[in-house]
Amino acid sequence: GAVVSQHPSWVICKSGTSVKIECRSLDFQATTMFWYRQFPKQSLMLMATSNEGSKATYEQGVEKDKFLINHASLTLSTLTVTSAHPEDSSFYICSARRGEGRQETQYFGPGTRLLVL
Amino acid sequence: KQEVTQIPAALSVPEGENLVLNCSFTDSAIYNLQWFRQDPGKGLTSLLLIQSSQREQTSGRLNASLDKSSGRSTLYIAASQPGDSATYLCAVWSSGGFKTIFGAGTRLFVKA
Repeated sequence: GAVVSQHPSWVICKSGTSVKIECRSLDFQATTMFWYRQFPKQSLMLMATSNEGSKATYEQGVEKDKFLINHASLTLSTLTVTSAHPEDSSFYICSARRGEGRQETQYFGPGTRLLVL
Repeated sequence: KQEVTQIPAALSVPEGENLVLNCSFTDSAIYNLQWFRQDPGKGLTSLLLIQSSQREQTSGRLNASLDKSSGRSTLYIAASQPGDSATYLCAVWSSGGFKTIFGAGTRLFVKA
C-alpha cells in the first residue's frame, strides 16, 4: 500500500536553532501534502497545506515565517521550524493525498517528535 | 467552518464489553470520514474509511457507520480487549475548504 515517511522520527534541539522535517510519499506522487501539529493529550491541528510548485496555505494562527514549508517535488515536502523555542515542542505529522477528486485517499506519516530545550 | 466533536472524551470498560464511540460534524459536505487509532507517543493507524456515499464499513471487530445528513458517525467495537486501549480519532475530509479536520479523540481503556 501507499506509504508516507517522515524524517527524522524524533529530534532534540537547543532553543534558537532551526529544525527541518521531511515528508515523503514513497510510492506515489502527491501534489498536495498537509502538516499537522499535535500537543500532548490534544488532537491533531492542521497547520498548513503544502502545494507542489506553489506557496503553502497556512491555517489561521500559524506563523508562516516561523514554519517554512517547501514542496519542491511531487514526493517531498519539508517543514522547517525556524528559531525553535520550547513551546514549539510537539508531535508533527504530515499527510499526502493520492488519487483525484472523490477517489482521493489520505495517507499519514508516522510523525516527528520535536523537543526544544 | 467544519467542527468535529467526539463523545465521550474518555471511556473505561471491562474486557469483553461491546462499545460505541461517537463522532459528530457540523457540515455535511464531506468527501469521507475516517477513524484512526493512536497509541501513546505513536502516530496514526487508519482503522476504517467511509466514503460519503457509503453507510458503513466493517473490519474484524470494528464497524463504523456514517449518517451524513445528520452529521454523525459511530465506531462500534465488539468484544473489547485490553489491546484495544488507545485514543480513537475521527477525521472528516471536508469538501468545503478541502481539508481534513480531526476530532479531539476518545481515550479508551479496556480493563483485563
